Amino acid sequence: DTEVTQTPKHLVMGMTNKKSLKCEQHMGHRAMYWYKQKAKKPPELMFVYSYEKLSINESVPSRFSPECPNSSLLNLHLHALQPEDSALYLCASSLIRTAGPRGNNEQFFGPGTRLTVL
Amino acid sequence: AQSVTQPDIHITVSEGASLELRCNYSYGATPYLFWYVQSPGQGLQLLLKYFSGDTLVQGIKGFEAEFKRSQSSFNLRKPSVHWSDAAEYFCAVVNRDDKIIFGKGTRLHILP
Repeated sequence: DTEVTQTPKHLVMGMTNKKSLKCEQHMGHRAMYWYKQKAKKPPELMFVYSYEKLSINESVPSRFSPECPNSSLLNLHLHALQPEDSALYLCASSLIRTAGPRGNNEQFFGPGTRLTVL
Repeated sequence: AQSVTQPDIHITVSEGASLELRCNYSYGATPYLFWYVQSPGQGLQLLLKYFSGDTLVQGIKGFEAEFKRSQSSFNLRKPSVHWSDAAEYFCAVVNRDDKIIFGKGTRLHILP
C-alpha cells in the first residue's frame, strides 16, 4: 500500500464552524506533513510531524490545529477560519523527516481536500 | 536563501513532440533537486530526484532531467509527450532547514 488518503475530498464551511481534515497512511512512515496550496501556486509547508511529535510549525495561525494521534493518522482541526483560508490542503508522508539525501526518501502526497470557507 | 525559478508559467506542445521544462536554482552548496507533477485535482507525484552522482537522472513516465552546475539548472525533458502529460510541473530544492521549496510551477498544455 503506497497510498496517502485524505478525507473529505471537498469541504465547505462557514467562518464559525469547526471541522477536521483527516489524513491516513499505512506505509510505516514516521513523518507526516500538512501543506496548503492556493490556486495556481506551489504548495506551502504548514506543519511537520516526526514520530508523532510536532517538529515544524511554519507560523501558522492558531485557527489551524494539527494532531497526530498515531503513526498512521494525521488530523487538521479547523476553527473560525477566514475566506482567505480557502485552498487545497495536501497531506504527505515520508519514511523519516529528512528531505535530503541523508534520508534519501520521498514524500508521498495525498490527493488533497478542497476547502471553501464562506 | 535557497530558491527555485521556473521561468515559463505555461508551455504548449503538440502530442508526440519533445518537451523541455526549465528550472534554475539558487543554492550555495550541492543542491538536492526534485521534479514533481500534479494533475488536476490530484496531489503531487515525484517524477525524479537528484542528490549526487550521474548528472542525467531518469525518472518515471519517460521523463529525464539533467543537472548542470555551471548553469544552475535542472531542466526536465521528455522525447515525446502524450496527452496524459498535461499537468502542472513543479521543480523543487531542499533548503538548509531540510524543507522542500517549490518553484511556482509550469502548466503544460498538449495540443492534439
